[in-house]
Amino acid sequence: DTEVTQTPKHLVMGMTNKKSLKCEQHMGHRAMYWYKQKAKKPPELMFVYSYEKLSINESVPSRFSPECPNSSLLNLHLHALQPEDSALYLCASSTSWNRGLSTDTQYFGPGTRLTVL
Amino acid sequence: DQQVKQNSPSLRVQEGRISILNCDYTNSMFDYFLWYKKYPAEGPTFLISISSIKDKNEDGRFTVFLNKSAKHLSLHIVPSQPGDSAVYFCAASFFGNTGKLIFGQGTTLQVKP
Repeated sequence: DTEVTQTPKHLVMGMTNKKSLKCEQHMGHRAMYWYKQKAKKPPELMFVYSYEKLSINESVPSRFSPECPNSSLLNLHLHALQPEDSALYLCASSTSWNRGLSTDTQYFGPGTRLTVL
Repeated sequence: DQQVKQNSPSLRVQEGRISILNCDYTNSMFDYFLWYKKYPAEGPTFLISISSIKDKNEDGRFTVFLNKSAKHLSLHIVPSQPGDSAVYFCAASFFGNTGKLIFGQGTTLQVKP
């Protein structure tokens, strides 16, 4: 089973709202990722968690706040977003990138389509 | 600097024929390559991967070829089916790169019945 689930599927929010995106995997993966994807563009990495610790922040604005409550869950808290933040937000997981091997395939969830009004 | 390039934005193929999607890379440190398929408004689906110690990997209708000297890889789909119509992304990574995948810009494949 290589399933990563994401909720909600769609989200519409105003610029003053606070909302959260949720990602879950039960494959025992220890690395989890948040990506942002705009139409007709490749996914852009935002954050990497390895063993529940934030390993990489790709200079993402602070209005995006990730959280990894446990090894199966990854949240992305959103606050005071801008209309240009509207995109498909993808979660992915892999066994780990920290094993000394680069052969870790990332499995993606279906994404959350976010619209900021 | 785009380290992974898919120079063909689109490709149209007749059902039953072969689809060949190409990808070039510039960073010789890349040692793992992946192909993902993506339908609109869905997450990318992993298709097939290849390690730099191999030059070919096959899985059903999908075969990936790697030419390290040319820094080129290709995905062959045989036979192509209408359900294969999607955007295909090539991605690359290397040990020590913090798990970061470098994606190409994608190629839209349309398989005509």
